[in-house]
Amino acid sequence: QVQLVESGGGVVQPGRSLRLSCAASGFTFSNYGMHWVRQAPGKGLEWVAVIWYDGNNKNYADSVKGRFTISRDNSKNTLYLQMNSLRGEDTAVYFCARGPPPGAPYGMDVWGQGTTVTVSS
Amino acid sequence: DIQMTQSPSSLSASVGDRVTITCRASQSISSYLNWYQQKPGKAPKFLIYAASSLQSGVPSRFSGSGSGTDFTLTISSLQREDFANYYCQQSYSTVPTFGGGTKVEIK
Repeated sequence: QVQLVESGGGVVQPGRSLRLSCAASGFTFSNYGMHWVRQAPGKGLEWVAVIWYDGNNKNYADSVKGRFTISRDNSKNTLYLQMNSLRGEDTAVYFCARGPPPGAPYGMDVWGQGTTVTVSS
Repeated sequence: DIQMTQSPSSLSASVGDRVTITCRASQSISSYLNWYQQKPGKAPKFLIYAASSLQSGVPSRFSGSGSGTDFTLTISSLQREDFANYYCQQSYSTVPTFGGGTKVEIK
């Protein structure tokens, strides 16, 4: 079945780095745009980044621009989020989601279960 | 960035009630508006796209309407499994944004 499984979360000190992964299965990964969305404890959803199906275009939220990098390996059906210079406000559950790039009348139709990132000294 | 404002932020309703949630965009987004349902500790579930199109498998008691800047999500007859948080999201601009959410609680 169509599935996304995140991994790589954990507890990290401020200023350090972490890389999240999202393994896709059950669909042709290379045909779809992919997003990262996060949710701070007790808060709403915040879009983080998107990557086009071929990896050639990427967009980021202002809150992570210059610190986070989204990438993908279509040969491994895997999406990544490299997070550098982490801050306390990056503490959240991070979801990967399948969805078209911005500018399409459609949303994120498949979501992973989320992985928790805690930034604390 | 386009700001999405949902109202109310929370509401209490009974099983069988008709519930309406509003989402307003800070500028026109045509019909590029999506709705999600999220239950505590779970991933969001995709409900409606293009403002009014029901995602496959979503019960017909859910419906959406609107265009431009003003949108609504309606649950025609609230069921116990519908008590959750609901989020709108615009997919019009290069930076997608979510509304702040509406919590639907049991009265």
